[in-house]
Order: sequence, then structure tokens, then C-alpha cells
Amino acid sequence: GAVVSQHPSWVICKSGTSVKIECRSLDFQATTMFWYRQFPKQSLMLMATSNEGSKATYEQGVEKDKFLINHASLTLSTLTVTSAHPEDSSFYICSAETGDEQFFGPGTRLTVL
Amino acid sequence: QKEVEQNSGPLSVPEGAIASLNCTYSDRVSQSFFWYRQYSGKSPELIMSIYSNGDKEDGRFTAQLNKASQYVSLLIRDSQPSDSATYLCAVDAGGTSYGKLTFGQGTILTVHP
Repeated sequence: GAVVSQHPSWVICKSGTSVKIECRSLDFQATTMFWYRQFPKQSLMLMATSNEGSKATYEQGVEKDKFLINHASLTLSTLTVTSAHPEDSSFYICSAETGDEQFFGPGTRLTVL
Repeated sequence: QKEVEQNSGPLSVPEGAIASLNCTYSDRVSQSFFWYRQYSGKSPELIMSIYSNGDKEDGRFTAQLNKASQYVSLLIRDSQPSDSATYLCAVDAGGTSYGKLTFGQGTILTVHP
């Protein structure tokens, strides 16, 4: 149980384009999902908390207009990186909460050229 | 600012030995503590969660929590080469920050045959 999927697993895009990443909880419902970013050789940094049916809450320093989050159902949250630039290249990982524990998706590696 | 500190290592142990990983946290009101394992290029995988003082054992893994000292550790018995990974300590402060994990920078563990 507690399986979280992400799609796509990797994406390469041109600077200025937008990229959508999907996060799904496969065998449980998740009222709350989280989006993290991890740069090479660094730890995970929480970007935002995604709540089903309400607006996401963003951590300090994360631009909400650049990283659009939609939690459309109890099993799906999406992160859209708008007008991506090379500095947005990173490993984006979602997690879904069940009980007191968070389970992570496999991650999406974004490369912006 | 909430901080979670880990010795970045690398920690190298021979196969069959006990690996000891340590973590300290700054927020005294923290409620929940987690150890994740992350293989290179992959997302974190939950190994252990611990919520109250003392030891919690699961197979070859034992988590230890001392809230008075703001210290949490992970022991891996009979270490195997497949245990070689980065181990991340994560802390949930609870309250209004419930569910928001703060990660340490990770400890790189190498188990050599």
C-alpha cells in the first residue's frame, strides 16, 4: 500500500515553456499532498502544500505564480512550472500523506534548456 | 528557523557491522520524526517513523528518540552493501506546521564488502 506515482519521470523543455507534473496516490486518498524540489547534492526543500479543494500554501521564497498547483481530487495533484528557465532545472518530488506518514512519488527530473 | 542537522559523512562501515546515523533538531516542539533512505537519482523511501521517546525496532533498523536532547538516531544492524545510500532525517514540527517536513542534509552511508 501507500503508492504514489508521478508523471512524467523526466522532461526536457525549452526556456520559456510550461511543464505540468502529475502526482497521484494510487491506493489511498490524500487530502494533502506536498511538493518538494531537490537540487544536486542538496536535501529536499518543501515548496508548497497542496490541499484538495482549496488553494495551495507556498513556502517562503517560492513564487506561487510561477509554480501553479492544482489539487483537483483526493488522488491527484498537479504542479505546473510556468515559463521555465534553466535555473528551474531540478528534481521535483511529490509526497502524499496518509495517517502521520508521507510517501514519496518517484520524482520528475526537469531539465530546461 | 527550524533546523535539522546531520553529519553528511560519508560514513563507511564493513558488511555485517552496525551503522549509526545521528540527527539533531532545533524546534523543541517537534512531534514526529522520520528516517528516509534515498538511492542516487531516486526519491526518498520511508524506513522508520518514531513519535515518542525511546527505541523503535523494525527488522534490522532501530530508531531512537530523545526529545529532551532533541536527538534522533538510526541504527542499522548487519549492514549490507544494498544499504549504501543517503539517509535523510526528517522532522514534523506539528501544530500549524503539521505535515510539513524539514529535512536534514543527509548522511551518505557506504557499506563495503
